[in-house]
Amino acid sequence: QKEVEQNSGPLSVPEGAIASLNCTYSDRGSQSFFWYRQYSGKSPELIMSIYSNGDKEDGRFTAQLNKASQYVSLLIRDSQPSDSATYLCAVTRSNTGNQFYFGTGTSLTVIP
Amino acid sequence: GAVVSQHPSRVICKSGTSVKIECRSLDFQATTMFWYRQFPKKSLMLMATSNEGSKATYEQGVEKDKFLINHASLTLSTLTVTSAHPEDSSFYICSARDTVQETQYFGPGTRLLVL
Repeated sequence: QKEVEQNSGPLSVPEGAIASLNCTYSDRGSQSFFWYRQYSGKSPELIMSIYSNGDKEDGRFTAQLNKASQYVSLLIRDSQPSDSATYLCAVTRSNTGNQFYFGTGTSLTVIP
Repeated sequence: GAVVSQHPSRVICKSGTSVKIECRSLDFQATTMFWYRQFPKKSLMLMATSNEGSKATYEQGVEKDKFLINHASLTLSTLTVTSAHPEDSSFYICSARDTVQETQYFGPGTRLLVL
């Protein structure tokens, strides 16, 4: 079982819609959760971090964490073509020296 | 967010030569830096974890004698690809962990082409 799993997609949504990206993780000891965005040919950039159960909002982005169900999601409201990218979920566990475990990423395309 | 730089951004070299890539955390100290490689349309692959002042920890399958990592200061880690071959051509990305925020920030990457 992989540490972090994501649906590779591609996920296509029309412009203005809500894009929902999901990530599950295997270890209940996971403590910190991150979403990165990676444009084609570029390196990943941090979008959101979340550490406790519930929702965390930042502009059009909302991260949702449910530790009991071991999933973390990212919602993008009012999706724009510029949101088209691969979204990487990352998780850390304290018993591994806070090593980051990355999912393989979900490719999102926002259709104008 | 924190800034991590990489140099060079792009390098073309002949087979058999060595290439050094620098990774710097510009506005924070990073006791831990990571080196990844990524092939086109593939996911990130962690190569090694670099800890300041100690030997790097390599992932399984990564040759430590081929990919030399040095983390001499809290803001600088280097990756040297020794005796590069065409199959080493890839996108190499470093990241640095901000221990205060417990967050990992990526450099812009170095695109290596070995002819």
